[in-house]
Amino acid sequence: DGGITQSPKYLFRKEGQNVTLSCEQNLNHDAMYWYRQDPGQGLRLIYYSQIVNDFQKGDIAEGYSVSREKKESFPLTVTSAQKNPTAFYLCASSGGLGGVYNEQFFGPGTRLTVL
Amino acid sequence: DAKTTQPPSMDCAEGRAANLPCNHSTISGNEYVYWYRQIHSQGPQYIIHGLKNNETNEMASLIITEDRKSSTLILPHATLRDTAVYYCIVNSGYSTLTFGKGTMLLVSP
Repeated sequence: DGGITQSPKYLFRKEGQNVTLSCEQNLNHDAMYWYRQDPGQGLRLIYYSQIVNDFQKGDIAEGYSVSREKKESFPLTVTSAQKNPTAFYLCASSGGLGGVYNEQFFGPGTRLTVL
Repeated sequence: DAKTTQPPSMDCAEGRAANLPCNHSTISGNEYVYWYRQIHSQGPQYIIHGLKNNETNEMASLIITEDRKSSTLILPHATLRDTAVYYCIVNSGYSTLTFGKGTMLLVSP
């Protein structure tokens, strides 16, 4: 069954700690994305990657870092520098970046709460 | 990418057609119209997209006006499971998507 998995579904961390959110896809997609969603708001793009070993900052990259060592994996680290990390984090993938390839497939999300 | 305007909320009776409008008056010739929806606490789901012709798939129909300045997403027979936030996005296809606040559609029995 093809799709995107994110783990864990709920995550709690203490202020000042770094935490890494997992995102894996078996759709053989080239492009992957990380979004953040706050209550009642739309999605905001954090980082995206069009190809292995390459990624670009989105609109709100400060306080976050990513890596893309494998095509199927795109982990997101929320660092202690992120001032307001409590949010719903969504990972997505698509065949590429262009035309019909903007059909993005989303994972179930990780809800991060900083205590 | 062109900006879109959607009503913040709409209601629909179960079994009736839900018609969700989107205004994109500054759309340019190479920009597509995409629709996604997000059920509460889940990731968004792609519904449909189009350039200038009307499109239909198993989920919905997309009607784009001749001048392309507005479009309507039609769910022909809404069910309770269609209750979600619906996002209309205009994009050239060569940049990342921008999700606004969308329209909250509430389908009632």
